[in-house]
Amino acid sequence: IAGITQAPTSQILAAGRRMTLRCTQDMRHNAMYWYRQDLGLGLRLIHYSNTAGTTGKGEVPDGYSVSRANTDDFPLTLASAVPSQTSVYFCASSDSPNTGELFFGEGSRLTVL
Amino acid sequence: GQNIDQPTEMTATEGAIVQINCTYQTSGFNGLFWYQQHAGEAPTFLSYNVLDGLEEKGRFSSFLSRSKGYSYLLLKELQMKDSASYLCAVTDSNYQLIWGAGTKLIIKP
Repeated sequence: IAGITQAPTSQILAAGRRMTLRCTQDMRHNAMYWYRQDLGLGLRLIHYSNTAGTTGKGEVPDGYSVSRANTDDFPLTLASAVPSQTSVYFCASSDSPNTGELFFGEGSRLTVL
Repeated sequence: GQNIDQPTEMTATEGAIVQINCTYQTSGFNGLFWYQQHAGEAPTFLSYNVLDGLEEKGRFSSFLSRSKGYSYLLLKELQMKDSASYLCAVTDSNYQLIWGAGTKLIIKP
């Protein structure tokens, strides 16, 4: 089934640990995004990639890094997790950057203690 | 600054009609999206408006007035499965997507 897959679906980790959230899509979409969703706030863009080999910073990039080695994969890394990074993280993709419908993964619930 | 405003929560009755409003102030405009998000799930696309007027898709319709910075999502013949959050998002002049906090819609029998 075509779509976008995230892993893990849920994770609890200690502050200071390194964590990578994985995201893979099989729709051959050019653009991919990482958002965080917190209660009472709109989706906030962390990082994005308009095409393989390029990445850009979103609204809340600090403490996060991404890479886009190929079209399908867009991992998000927390180098040293802090409690304020407790959130639900959504990966999304679109055929063209910011002008088309976004397809979201099921989300990764991260708790940093 | 850029801002999207929508009501935090609304309640409606099964079988009725509900209108969810969204107002925006953004640097430029390149389209407005509505997404549906059930609790614990990912957002899914509902509609896209770039020109003024009403776009109808089954029980759901979305309206846009660019001069007023205003949109609404109209849901007819409400069903219990329509209980969800509805997210309004606007693409600004830099093609950045600005999201509202969402409106939680509660449907009562």
